[in-house]
Amino acid sequence: DAEITQSPRHKITETGRQVTLACHQTWNHNNMFWYRQDLGHGLRLIHYSYGVQDTNKGEVSDGYSVSRSNTEDLPLTLESAASSQTSVYFCASSGPGHGNTGELFFGEGSRLTVL
Amino acid sequence: AQSVTQPDIHITVSEGASLELRCNYSYGATPYLFWYVQSPGQGLQLLLKYFSGDTLVQGIKGFEAEFKRSQSSFNLRKPSVHWSDAAEYFCAVAHDPHNKLIFGAGTRLAVHP
Repeated sequence: DAEITQSPRHKITETGRQVTLACHQTWNHNNMFWYRQDLGHGLRLIHYSYGVQDTNKGEVSDGYSVSRSNTEDLPLTLESAASSQTSVYFCASSGPGHGNTGELFFGEGSRLTVL
Repeated sequence: AQSVTQPDIHITVSEGASLELRCNYSYGATPYLFWYVQSPGQGLQLLLKYFSGDTLVQGIKGFEAEFKRSQSSFNLRKPSVHWSDAAEYFCAVAHDPHNKLIFGAGTRLAVHP
C-alpha cells in the first residue's frame, strides 16, 4: 500500500545543531506540507511544495528550510536548532490519485526535543 | 487572511450522548472546509469535507457537519458518542482543495463511560 513515512520518529538534539527530518510518500502526490503541532496552537504550517523544485514558506517558516528534488521526498531542515523548535512535526501530502479531493494524508509525526 | 476558531479546548461527554464541536472560520469567499481527527500518538485522519452543494455532509464513523454561511460555521456532530471517539478534533479551511490547510487549535474530546 502507498504510504507516507517520517523519520526519525523521535530525536533529541542540542541547541545550535543542524537537524533534518525526512518525509517520504509513495502516492506520487504533487503537494507536500510540513506542520508543527504545539499545545494550544493546533497545527501550524511551516513550508509546503506543489511540485519538484517548488517550495513556499508557511506561517512559521523562520529557522526552517525545505528542498524538493523529487516527487517523493520533502526533507525539513532546522539549520540551527533552538529550544523553541521543540515540537511534534507532521508531514502531509495531497494530490491526484485520490480524486483531487483535497484530503491531506499525514505521517505519524516526528517528536523533536531541543535541549 | 484565513483563520479558524475552535472555541472549545476540551469537551467531556458521556458515552451515548450527542456531540457537537464548534468551528468558525474567517474567509471572504466560499471556503473548503474539513474536519480531521487525531488519536493519541497518531497522525491526522480526515473525517469529512465540504466543497460545495449540500450543506450537510456525512463523514466516516457516523459523524456529520453542517456548513452555515450566514454564521461562518462548520460544526461537527454525532448523535451518539462511543468511547472510541475520544481524540482530538481539528477543523481546517483552505482556498481550494489543493491548497494548504489552515487548522484550528483543536478540541480534545473525553468520553465518560
